[in-house]
Amino acid sequence: NAGVTQTPKFQVLKTGQSMTLQCAQDMNHNSMYWYRQDPGMGLRLIYYSASEGTTDKGEVPNGYNVSRLNKREFSLRLESAAPSQTSVYFCASSASTGASNQPQHFGDGTRLSIL
Amino acid sequence: SQKIEQNSEALNIQEGKTATLTCNYTNYSPAYLQWYRQDPGRGPVFLLLIRENEKEKRKERLKVTFDTTLKQSLFHITASQPADSATYLCALDRDSSYKLIFGSGTRLLVRP
Repeated sequence: NAGVTQTPKFQVLKTGQSMTLQCAQDMNHNSMYWYRQDPGMGLRLIYYSASEGTTDKGEVPNGYNVSRLNKREFSLRLESAAPSQTSVYFCASSASTGASNQPQHFGDGTRLSIL
Repeated sequence: SQKIEQNSEALNIQEGKTATLTCNYTNYSPAYLQWYRQDPGRGPVFLLLIRENEKEKRKERLKVTFDTTLKQSLFHITASQPADSATYLCALDRDSSYKLIFGSGTRLLVRP
């Protein structure tokens, strides 16, 4: 099983450009998450989807939008990229909805640089 | 505000020794605490979960403790090996929801 797959692995954008980060999981998980990881700051939740058809804001949602396309796929869109969005982006999934006793399974990240 | 602290300085130990990593938290009452391992260029990988009413949890060479009075979790790796070198993250549930709050991690270096 691939687990959680993120594409692309690397991307360089110019300020103001838009792009969509893709994430797919093959574990039949209900919940999916998008995080960003910056040096010394840990993982911060951008958006999450508790179940298919629902999305909600996390800790740092400004400048981002998400789409839960189906149970497998959860995409993150930057409409107008800014240098402050330079980061490593991780997608994760967990089995149950509304249960904090579930481990999260992560992809290997997208390294995004905004010039 | 809610805060998780992990030692930002790397822990450097000799192979065979026990590594002990600390996770402290404030202004929380988490029901669960999780530990993850992260290798360079990779996503975090789940290791262990401990509940608030559990004092200790073990898995092979790993041991986690959870002291809700001290608001602290300790993560131990016994008989450490160079392959254990990685960054270790602790994570707490936010207000008993399925959302996790992560610490910034502690890097462990195990010397051969």
